[in-house]
Amino acid sequence: EAQVTQNPRYLITVTGKKLTVTCSQNMNHEYMSWYRQDPGLGLRQIYYSMNVEVTDKGDVPEGYKVSRKEKRNFPLILESPSPNQTSLYFCASTPYVFPGANVLTFGAGSRLTVL
Amino acid sequence: AQTVTQSQPEMSVQEAETVTLSCTYDTSESDYYLFWYKQPPSRQMILVIRQEAYKQQNATENRFSVNFQKAAKSFSLKISDSQLGDAAMYFCAYRSARGVNDMRFGAGTRLTVKP
Repeated sequence: EAQVTQNPRYLITVTGKKLTVTCSQNMNHEYMSWYRQDPGLGLRQIYYSMNVEVTDKGDVPEGYKVSRKEKRNFPLILESPSPNQTSLYFCASTPYVFPGANVLTFGAGSRLTVL
Repeated sequence: AQTVTQSQPEMSVQEAETVTLSCTYDTSESDYYLFWYKQPPSRQMILVIRQEAYKQQNATENRFSVNFQKAAKSFSLKISDSQLGDAAMYFCAYRSARGVNDMRFGAGTRLTVKP
């Protein structure tokens, strides 16, 4: 089944404890992206990647890191989490075909709480 | 930067009735794509419908249809014969035709369906 898989789905952690949220897609998509969803703000992009070793900042990159060493994986790293990073996180991917109404395929979401 | 506005934080509809969710956007571009995503309690982001700006005909998908008013920069979603399973958060999204990475989401509208 074509899908984007995120782990963990739920995580409670404490301030300053490094964590990684993994994202993997099995559709050979070039483009991958991370979003965070907060009440009243919708989804905002954190980082994106056009292809292996090509990453760039989105609208809210502060406090996050990413890497794209393999086409299928795009982990989100919080080096020193803070309570304002408590949020619902989504990974998404799409084939990079320009132009076109490429539709994002989303993972199931990861609910992160930082105490 | 483009912005997407959903002015209705919450809406409710009686089962089997019709409801319309509003969305407006701000852009100076002429070529773009618009989307409606559904997020049920499972948190999964599900594409409901999409519209290419160059197409004058409004998109339809079974009970879901849009009213796309390009000049007014309006993109409303109409749900006919509402069902209990339609209860969800609905997000309107805009993406430039310039490239895959320029997707903007509205803040969302929470739809309740009353039996």
